[in-house]
Amino acid sequence: GAVVSQHPSWVICKSGTSVKIECRSLDFQATTMFWYRQFPKQSLMLMATSNEGSKATYEQGVEKDKFLINHASLTLSTLTVTSAHPEDSSFYICSARDGGAGGPYNEQFFGPGTRLTVL
Amino acid sequence: KNEVEQSPQNLTAQEGEFITINCSYSVGISALHWLQQHPGGGIVSLFMLSSGKKKHGRLIATINIQEKHSSLHITASHPRDSAVYICAALTSGTYKYIFGTGTRLKVLA
Repeated sequence: GAVVSQHPSWVICKSGTSVKIECRSLDFQATTMFWYRQFPKQSLMLMATSNEGSKATYEQGVEKDKFLINHASLTLSTLTVTSAHPEDSSFYICSARDGGAGGPYNEQFFGPGTRLTVL
Repeated sequence: KNEVEQSPQNLTAQEGEFITINCSYSVGISALHWLQQHPGGGIVSLFMLSSGKKKHGRLIATINIQEKHSSLHITASHPRDSAVYICAALTSGTYKYIFGTGTRLKVLA
């Protein structure tokens, strides 16, 4: 299957700082990328949908000024957690959907995740 | 009640056993996705199916659209199969995933 990478794989930061997480599709063009959050022993929760060249669509309850998403190219989306606090500590996972024929029916490929710990 | 329900939540099996994990959903879907998440957190896509049955190695996935039910089977289970298995319904219309809560599988040697 297609490969999606995330960087960094883990990060520890101080409260109040901002952290940027990158999501890259390595061998396909992703017109749409998704950002998920996962708390321990819980399932993934969709935070936002990111379309290349346009503003992200955030799910209800997700603060767009807190979680800044940029999808500037067909292979890269970034999530910036601004002014991070301990409650933002979580596992963040991105997925990318191939922009080829099939559109929204195309499979999403998941990145390996980024573990964020805010002290 | 969750829109995507999985059972069992936890499963311990002996090596070599045949394993079945079930997924029921109440939403309209365009496809159902089975995912595997290892302790480190990374997610691997196992199957994406919208009808019938798919097989890959020791893994088999089936779906019954009328009954809104899917199953994941593992034949001749092995300790390396130990992971969390997640079913994810790709909703028709919005094309977003709704995830089940996962089945935590432990296969003992």
